[in-house]
Formats: sequence, structure tokens, C-alpha cells
Amino acid sequence: GAVVSQHPSRVICKSGTSVKIECRSLDFQATTMFWYRQFPKQSLMLMATSNEGSKATYEQGVEKDKFLINHASLTLSTLTVTSAHPEDSSFYICSASGTSGRRIHEQFFGPGTRLTVL
Amino acid sequence: KNEVEQSPQNLTAQEGEFITINCSYSVGISALHWLQQHPGGGIVSLFMLSSGKKKHGRLIATINIQEKHSSLHITASHPRDSAVYICAVQPPNDMRFGAGTRLTVKP
Repeated sequence: GAVVSQHPSRVICKSGTSVKIECRSLDFQATTMFWYRQFPKQSLMLMATSNEGSKATYEQGVEKDKFLINHASLTLSTLTVTSAHPEDSSFYICSASGTSGRRIHEQFFGPGTRLTVL
Repeated sequence: KNEVEQSPQNLTAQEGEFITINCSYSVGISALHWLQQHPGGGIVSLFMLSSGKKKHGRLIATINIQEKHSSLHITASHPRDSAVYICAVQPPNDMRFGAGTRLTVKP
């Protein structure tokens, strides 16, 4: 199956700093990338959907100025948590969807990034 | 009622037992995913199904589109299988997640 990587896998930062998380599709062109967040003992929740070259579509309740998403290429999307606060501590997961000879709308999940804000 | 229901919520088994986790959903989907999440949070995508059955090692996943039901089976379970198993269904432009099943396999 397709491989999606995330970097870093873990990050600890001080309150007020910004953190960038990368999501890469390693062997296919990801026309759409999804960003999810998971709080402890809860299900994954969709934050935003980004199509390559377009602005991301954010779910209700997700602040677009706080969670900046850039999907500038078909293999890379980044999520930047700006001015992070302890309540932003969470597990962030991306998934990618593309065509590249595969069925349309197949999604492949990254392994996730655990963010801890002190 | 949640659109994706998993059962059981928690499952404890002895090493070697056959495990079944069920997932029922109420929306039309183009695919169903089974994900494995370990205590550190890392996600592993186990299966993506749109019909029938898939097998990978000791893991088997089945889906019945008409009944809107999927099962994940683990044969000869092992303590390293201990994790949370999440069912996720994919309407064409969305993803809905079950609450997860926490599996503990005791040696």
C-alpha cells in the first residue's frame, strides 16, 4: 500500500511558540490531504481538508488562523500550530488521497505526531 | 446514535485466542478502514475495504456492504496485538470514526 509519513513523530514546545508538522506521501501524488486531531481517549476528529494548490477547508470550530495548513505540492502538506498553548497538546494525524493509478478517494494514514505544549 | 458503532468497547483475551471486533455503520460509504493505534498513539493502517474480505498475516477483515457491517478478526492473538482498533468509514469526501475497541491480550 501507499506510504504516508509524518515528521516529527513527537514534539515538545514551550507555550507561545509555533510548531510545524509535515505530512508527505512517499509513493503517490496526494491531491487531497486531511488533518485530524485526537484528544486523549477520544476518537479522531477531522480538522481540515486541503487540496493541492487551494486553500484548506476547515471544520466548524477549528481556527484557521491558529492551524495554518499549506498544501503547496502533490507530496507535501504542512500543519503549523501557531502560538501553541497547552490545550493544543494533542495527537495530530494526516491522511492523503490521490489517484496515481489507484482508486479515487483511497485514503492512506500517516503515523501521527504527538504535540506536547508546556 | 453514532454513525459508526464498534463493539466491544473493551476486550481482554488470553494469548492464542481468536478475536473478533465488529463495526456497524449507518451511512453510505466508498471504503472502510481498520486502524491500529498503539499506546504511544502511533497509527497503523491495517486494511482498507470496499467489498469482500482481506487477509494479512493473522489479521482478517470482512465487510458486508448490504448489511453495513464489518468485522476484524485476529487469529492466534499475541500480547503485541494489544492496542486500540479503530473502524473508520469513508463516505466519498469524508471520514467518520468509531470510538475504538481497546484490546488487551494477556500472556
